[in-house]
Amino acid sequence: SSDLTQDPVESVALGQTVRLTCLGDSLRKYAASWYQQRPGQAPVLVLYGQNRRPSGIPDRFSGSTSGNTASLTITGAQAEDEADYYCKSRDFSGHHHVFGPGTKVSVL
Amino acid sequence: QVQLVQSGSELKKPGASVTVSCKASGYTFTTYYLTWVRQAPGQGLESMGWINTNTGNPTYDQDFTGRFVFSLDTSVRTAYLQITGLTPGDTAVYYCAREGVLGQLDYWGQGTQVTVSS
Repeated sequence: SSDLTQDPVESVALGQTVRLTCLGDSLRKYAASWYQQRPGQAPVLVLYGQNRRPSGIPDRFSGSTSGNTASLTITGAQAEDEADYYCKSRDFSGHHHVFGPGTKVSVL
Repeated sequence: QVQLVQSGSELKKPGASVTVSCKASGYTFTTYYLTWVRQAPGQGLESMGWINTNTGNPTYDQDFTGRFVFSLDTSVRTAYLQITGLTPGDTAVYYCAREGVLGQLDYWGQGTQVTVSS
């Protein structure tokens, strides 16, 4: 299956570290990218490739992939990091994007 | 700077059609594919497919064949999403997004709310 799996909810204390995971067999072949979506806003790319951050994304966001699992780590979470986070990859054909169901991150 | 600006909110009756536009600026339009993404109320992101902005060739995801059409007008650097035979189930925010060289969706439009209600 090309499906991606994410935990629905994660919480993290202010200033602490949280690791979000994304599982899927297609991740063995295609890189994951990660998107942050705050309520009422469009998604924003936060990570892509193995561990690349677009300009303007803080370095507290980092990523890695091992086997069928991609991870997004927020080190020193801030209040503004509270959002939904979606991973994205491709299906096995490579012709279609596939999104994970998203993880809602709460910063306590 | 790269920008994708989408058309405004739409309220349509069941059975009607709607066209959402996505106007690009700040980069060479025909160099990057454009992807369409749907987000139903309270739900996650769902890929609808993408269009090759160089050839105009669209690729539709499985759940978006038949009533959905992607098109371009390269003279005005604009992509279009047309949906026909609207049903309340089409009520959603529709986003366009540019696809970067590694498959990442690096720039997004602001989204267009389409509401289908009698």
